[in-house]
Amino acid sequence: GAGVSQSPRYKVAKRGQDVALRCDPISGHVSLFWYQQALGQGPEFLTYFQNEAQLDKSGLPSDRFFAERPEGSVSTLKIQRTQQEDSAVYLCASSLSRVGSYNEQFFGPGTRLTVL
Amino acid sequence: DQQVKQNSPSLSVQEGRISILNCDYTNSMFDYFLWYKKYPAEGPTFLISISSIKDKNEDGRFTVFLNKSAKHLSLHIVPSQPGDSAVYFCAASDTSNSGYALNFGKGTSLLVTP
Repeated sequence: GAGVSQSPRYKVAKRGQDVALRCDPISGHVSLFWYQQALGQGPEFLTYFQNEAQLDKSGLPSDRFFAERPEGSVSTLKIQRTQQEDSAVYLCASSLSRVGSYNEQFFGPGTRLTVL
Repeated sequence: DQQVKQNSPSLSVQEGRISILNCDYTNSMFDYFLWYKKYPAEGPTFLISISSIKDKNEDGRFTVFLNKSAKHLSLHIVPSQPGDSAVYFCAASDTSNSGYALNFGKGTSLLVTP
């Protein structure tokens, strides 16, 4: 596909369930980012991958959040034992960026997670 | 702690007039600034950016101004069109940090009326 895709687009989970959110970046994009956007807020950085290496996970709110990108392409954000405060839109973005240069980030449509 | 602030949650402008969206930041390490546009149920779409070595960047109807001493940037849309109605996010990055993660404001909802 031409852009970043995310699945599922909507996810409803009962509190305590585990969820897995998928991101397919633009082919050839080295960098991949996850952001969390709560209602009425701007996106907040969660974690960053360069190829398969997770170089920054400082934004992950707790150890219940885990992200991986094992082959340097598709990425999965996993949330264990979901809580109501995890309800948000989870955005994935990719870019060509390598260290020393800046390229814009292209965002997917997001996954809206609702925890009941 | 919000490092990028958009103090106007909403703005209404008549078609054909200028729209001015404002953004302030607190982190002096930010050296790259972007504006994203977002429609409902879609991800943010890149609009325009500016490096801290410049004070103005123009792309068609969109111009971004940067005032580093005031830690302030603004987006001008001239002339405004109804299709410009969306939420606009200001974002900033410290490119000395690996990855260039973006720090976003809360957004300004722009409504352009016919």
